[in-house]
Amino acid sequence: QVQLQQSGPGLVKPSQTLSLTCAISGDSVSSNSAAWNWIRQSPSRGLEWLGRTYYRSKWYSNYAVSVKSRISVNPDTSKNQFSLQLNSVTPEDTAVYYCARAGGGTMVTMFDYWGQGTLVTVSS
Amino acid sequence: QSALTQPASVSGSPGQSITISCTGTSSDVGSYNLVSWYQQHPGKVPKLIIYEGSKRPSGVSNRFSGSKSGNTASLTISGLQAEDEADYYCCSYAGTTTFWVFGGGTKLTVL
Repeated sequence: QVQLQQSGPGLVKPSQTLSLTCAISGDSVSSNSAAWNWIRQSPSRGLEWLGRTYYRSKWYSNYAVSVKSRISVNPDTSKNQFSLQLNSVTPEDTAVYYCARAGGGTMVTMFDYWGQGTLVTVSS
Repeated sequence: QSALTQPASVSGSPGQSITISCTGTSSDVGSYNLVSWYQQHPGKVPKLIIYEGSKRPSGVSNRFSGSKSGNTASLTISGLQAEDEADYYCCSYAGTTTFWVFGGGTKLTVL
Protein backbone atom coordinates (compact mmCIF):
# COMPACT_ATOMS: atom_id res chain seq x y z
CA GLN A 1 0.00 0.00 0.00
CA VAL A 2 1.44 3.32 -1.05
CA GLN A 3 1.40 6.08 1.55
CA LEU A 4 2.42 9.70 1.14
CA GLN A 5 3.25 11.81 4.19
CA GLN A 6 3.53 15.55 3.74
CA SER A 7 5.51 17.94 5.91
CA GLY A 8 6.25 21.65 5.88
CA PRO A 9 5.14 24.96 7.33
CA GLY A 10 1.55 26.13 7.21
CA LEU A 11 2.35 29.84 7.15
CA VAL A 12 4.59 31.62 4.67
CA LYS A 13 5.20 35.34 4.34
CA PRO A 14 4.55 37.13 1.05
CA SER A 15 7.54 37.15 -1.32
CA GLN A 16 9.13 34.20 0.48
CA THR A 17 9.45 30.57 -0.61
CA LEU A 18 6.90 27.86 0.10
CA SER A 19 8.63 24.53 0.75
CA LEU A 20 6.90 21.18 1.26
CA THR A 21 8.15 17.61 1.34
CA CYS A 22 6.34 14.37 0.57
CA ALA A 23 7.77 11.15 2.01
CA ILE A 24 6.90 7.97 0.11
CA SER A 25 6.33 4.52 1.57
CA GLY A 26 5.31 1.44 -0.38
CA ASP A 27 6.85 2.68 -3.64
CA SER A 28 10.01 4.35 -4.88
CA VAL A 29 10.49 7.89 -6.10
CA SER A 30 12.71 6.29 -8.77
CA SER A 31 9.93 4.01 -10.04
CA ASN A 32 9.68 3.69 -13.81
CA SER A 33 5.90 3.38 -13.63
CA ALA A 34 4.93 6.38 -11.52
CA ALA A 35 5.22 10.15 -11.42
CA TRP A 36 5.25 12.32 -8.31
CA ASN A 37 3.02 15.37 -8.37
CA TRP A 38 2.00 18.45 -6.47
CA ILE A 39 -1.62 19.63 -6.71
CA ARG A 40 -3.26 22.47 -4.83
CA GLN A 41 -6.86 23.32 -4.02
CA SER A 42 -8.40 26.65 -3.16
CA PRO A 43 -11.96 28.02 -3.28
CA SER A 44 -10.99 30.50 -6.00
CA ARG A 45 -8.91 28.21 -8.25
CA GLY A 46 -10.34 24.76 -7.48
CA LEU A 47 -7.97 21.85 -8.01
CA GLU A 48 -4.84 22.90 -9.87
CA TRP A 49 -2.01 20.63 -10.99
CA LEU A 50 1.31 22.34 -10.30
CA GLY A 51 4.11 20.04 -11.34
CA ARG A 52 5.75 16.63 -11.23
CA THR A 53 9.00 14.74 -11.23
CA TYR A 54 9.58 11.24 -12.56
CA TYR A 55 12.31 8.83 -13.57
CA ARG A 56 12.50 7.13 -16.96
CA SER A 57 16.19 6.24 -17.28
CA LYS A 58 16.83 9.84 -16.27
CA TRP A 59 14.99 12.45 -14.21
CA TYR A 60 12.32 14.69 -15.69
CA SER A 61 10.26 17.54 -14.27
CA ASN A 62 7.24 19.27 -15.75
CA TYR A 63 5.39 22.34 -14.51
CA ALA A 64 2.10 24.15 -14.98
CA VAL A 65 2.40 27.24 -17.14
CA SER A 66 0.80 29.34 -14.40
CA VAL A 67 3.70 28.75 -11.97
CA LYS A 68 6.51 27.67 -14.26
CA SER A 69 8.75 30.64 -13.47
CA ARG A 70 8.47 30.09 -9.71
CA ILE A 71 8.31 26.36 -9.09
CA SER A 72 10.70 23.49 -8.58
CA VAL A 73 9.80 19.83 -7.89
CA ASN A 74 12.75 17.65 -7.00
CA PRO A 75 13.34 14.04 -5.98
CA ASP A 76 15.44 12.96 -3.01
CA THR A 77 16.39 9.36 -3.63
CA SER A 78 18.34 9.03 -0.38
CA LYS A 79 15.15 9.67 1.61
CA ASN A 80 12.65 8.33 -0.93
CA GLN A 81 10.76 11.59 -1.03
CA PHE A 82 10.16 14.59 -3.25
CA SER A 83 9.73 18.26 -2.62
CA LEU A 84 7.96 21.38 -3.78
CA GLN A 85 9.46 24.84 -3.78
CA LEU A 86 7.32 27.77 -4.87
CA ASN A 87 9.09 31.12 -4.89
CA SER A 88 7.83 34.67 -4.51
CA VAL A 89 4.49 33.65 -3.03
CA THR A 90 1.52 35.98 -2.77
CA PRO A 91 -1.79 35.61 -0.91
CA GLU A 92 -3.17 34.03 -4.12
CA ASP A 93 -0.96 31.03 -3.39
CA THR A 94 -2.92 30.31 -0.22
CA ALA A 95 -4.35 26.82 -0.68
CA VAL A 96 -4.35 23.24 0.49
CA TYR A 97 -1.35 21.58 -1.14
CA TYR A 98 -1.40 17.86 -1.92
CA CYS A 99 1.30 15.54 -3.09
CA ALA A 100 0.01 12.72 -5.25
CA ARG A 101 1.31 9.69 -7.09
CA ALA A 102 0.34 9.33 -10.72
CA GLY A 103 0.19 5.67 -11.57
CA GLY A 104 -0.94 3.46 -14.40
CA GLY A 105 2.34 2.39 -15.90
CA THR A 106 5.03 4.16 -17.88
CA MET A 107 2.36 6.46 -19.28
CA VAL A 108 0.77 7.53 -16.04
CA THR A 109 -2.97 7.95 -16.31
CA MET A 110 -4.43 8.96 -12.95
CA PHE A 111 -3.69 10.24 -9.45
CA ASP A 112 -4.17 7.12 -7.38
CA TYR A 113 -2.57 8.00 -4.05
CA TRP A 114 -2.67 11.36 -2.29
CA GLY A 115 -0.97 12.88 0.72
CA GLN A 116 -2.99 14.19 3.61
CA GLY A 117 -2.88 17.79 2.40
CA THR A 118 -1.23 20.84 3.94
CA LEU A 119 -3.04 24.14 4.32
CA VAL A 120 -0.52 26.82 3.43
CA THR A 121 -1.49 30.38 4.21
CA VAL A 122 0.47 33.25 2.70
CA SER A 123 0.26 36.16 5.09
CA SER A 124 2.50 38.59 6.88
CA GLN B 1 -11.80 29.50 -13.89
CA SER B 2 -11.25 25.76 -14.30
CA ALA B 3 -10.28 24.31 -17.65
CA LEU B 4 -13.01 21.65 -17.61
CA THR B 5 -16.65 22.61 -17.10
CA GLN B 6 -18.84 20.77 -14.62
CA PRO B 7 -22.27 21.66 -13.25
CA ALA B 8 -21.94 23.32 -9.85
CA SER B 9 -24.47 20.99 -8.26
CA VAL B 10 -26.65 17.97 -8.88
CA SER B 11 -29.08 16.17 -6.63
CA GLY B 12 -30.97 12.94 -6.47
CA SER B 13 -32.96 10.75 -4.13
CA PRO B 14 -31.69 7.50 -2.65
CA GLY B 15 -31.87 4.70 -5.20
CA GLN B 16 -31.96 7.03 -8.18
CA SER B 17 -29.21 7.57 -10.77
CA ILE B 18 -27.47 10.82 -11.55
CA THR B 19 -24.98 11.86 -14.20
CA ILE B 20 -22.32 14.54 -13.90
CA SER B 21 -20.91 16.00 -17.09
CA CYS B 22 -17.40 17.27 -17.68
CA THR B 23 -16.90 19.34 -20.81
CA GLY B 24 -13.48 20.06 -22.18
CA THR B 25 -12.03 20.66 -25.62
CA SER B 26 -10.37 18.81 -28.45
CA SER B 27 -7.06 19.55 -26.71
CA ASP B 28 -7.87 17.56 -23.59
CA VAL B 29 -10.97 15.39 -23.12
CA GLY B 30 -11.50 14.98 -26.85
CA SER B 31 -7.93 13.96 -27.63
CA TYR B 32 -7.09 11.49 -24.88
CA ASN B 33 -8.81 8.60 -23.15
CA LEU B 34 -7.30 9.83 -19.90
CA VAL B 35 -10.21 11.25 -17.95
CA SER B 36 -10.32 10.43 -14.26
CA TRP B 37 -12.88 11.21 -11.60
CA TYR B 38 -12.37 11.95 -7.92
CA GLN B 39 -14.75 11.93 -4.97
CA GLN B 40 -14.05 14.32 -2.11
CA HIS B 41 -15.95 14.41 1.14
CA PRO B 42 -15.74 17.62 3.21
CA GLY B 43 -12.34 18.04 4.80
CA LYS B 44 -11.04 14.86 3.18
CA VAL B 45 -8.53 13.97 0.49
CA PRO B 46 -9.75 13.37 -3.08
CA LYS B 47 -10.29 9.69 -3.85
CA LEU B 48 -9.90 8.17 -7.31
CA ILE B 49 -13.12 6.49 -8.47
CA ILE B 50 -12.75 6.28 -12.25
CA TYR B 51 -9.66 6.33 -14.47
CA GLU B 52 -8.97 6.07 -18.20
CA GLY B 53 -12.52 7.18 -18.82
CA SER B 54 -14.38 4.13 -17.58
CA LYS B 55 -12.18 1.91 -15.41
CA ARG B 56 -12.77 1.47 -11.69
CA PRO B 57 -9.95 0.99 -9.20
CA SER B 58 -10.14 -2.05 -6.99
CA GLY B 59 -12.55 -1.48 -4.14
CA VAL B 60 -14.68 1.16 -5.85
CA SER B 61 -18.35 0.29 -6.10
CA ASN B 62 -19.70 -0.74 -9.50
CA ARG B 63 -22.42 1.85 -8.95
CA PHE B 64 -19.89 4.32 -10.33
CA SER B 65 -19.35 4.33 -14.09
CA GLY B 66 -17.69 6.61 -16.59
CA SER B 67 -18.05 7.35 -20.28
CA LYS B 68 -17.02 9.84 -22.92
CA SER B 69 -18.49 11.30 -26.08
CA GLY B 70 -16.47 13.80 -28.04
CA ASN B 71 -15.23 16.54 -25.74
CA THR B 72 -17.54 15.58 -22.86
CA ALA B 73 -16.93 12.95 -20.22
CA SER B 74 -19.61 11.76 -17.84
CA LEU B 75 -19.78 10.13 -14.44
CA THR B 76 -22.90 8.16 -13.57
CA ILE B 77 -23.76 7.05 -10.07
CA SER B 78 -26.56 4.53 -9.86
CA GLY B 79 -28.48 3.44 -6.80
CA LEU B 80 -27.66 6.65 -4.96
CA GLN B 81 -26.76 6.27 -1.30
CA ALA B 82 -26.43 8.86 1.43
CA GLU B 83 -22.67 8.22 1.57
CA ASP B 84 -22.35 9.36 -2.07
CA GLU B 85 -23.01 12.94 -0.99
CA ALA B 86 -19.71 14.65 -1.78
CA ASP B 87 -17.91 16.81 -4.30
CA TYR B 88 -16.88 15.20 -7.58
CA TYR B 89 -14.06 16.39 -9.81
CA CYS B 90 -13.06 15.35 -13.29
CA CYS B 91 -9.52 15.53 -14.59
CA SER B 92 -8.02 15.08 -18.04
CA TYR B 93 -4.59 14.85 -19.55
CA ALA B 94 -4.10 17.84 -21.86
CA GLY B 95 -0.85 17.23 -23.68
CA THR B 96 2.80 18.07 -23.12
CA THR B 97 2.36 21.80 -22.51
CA THR B 98 -0.59 21.88 -20.10
CA PHE B 99 -0.32 18.31 -18.79
CA TRP B 100 -3.30 17.93 -16.41
CA VAL B 101 -6.50 19.97 -16.06
CA PHE B 102 -9.33 19.66 -13.57
CA GLY B 103 -12.98 20.55 -13.55
CA GLY B 104 -14.41 23.01 -11.07
CA GLY B 105 -16.21 20.30 -9.15
CA THR B 106 -19.83 19.26 -8.71
CA LYS B 107 -21.56 19.08 -5.36
CA LEU B 108 -23.83 16.05 -5.16
CA THR B 109 -26.69 16.26 -2.71
CA VAL B 110 -28.60 13.12 -1.82
CA LEU B 111 -32.10 14.29 -0.91
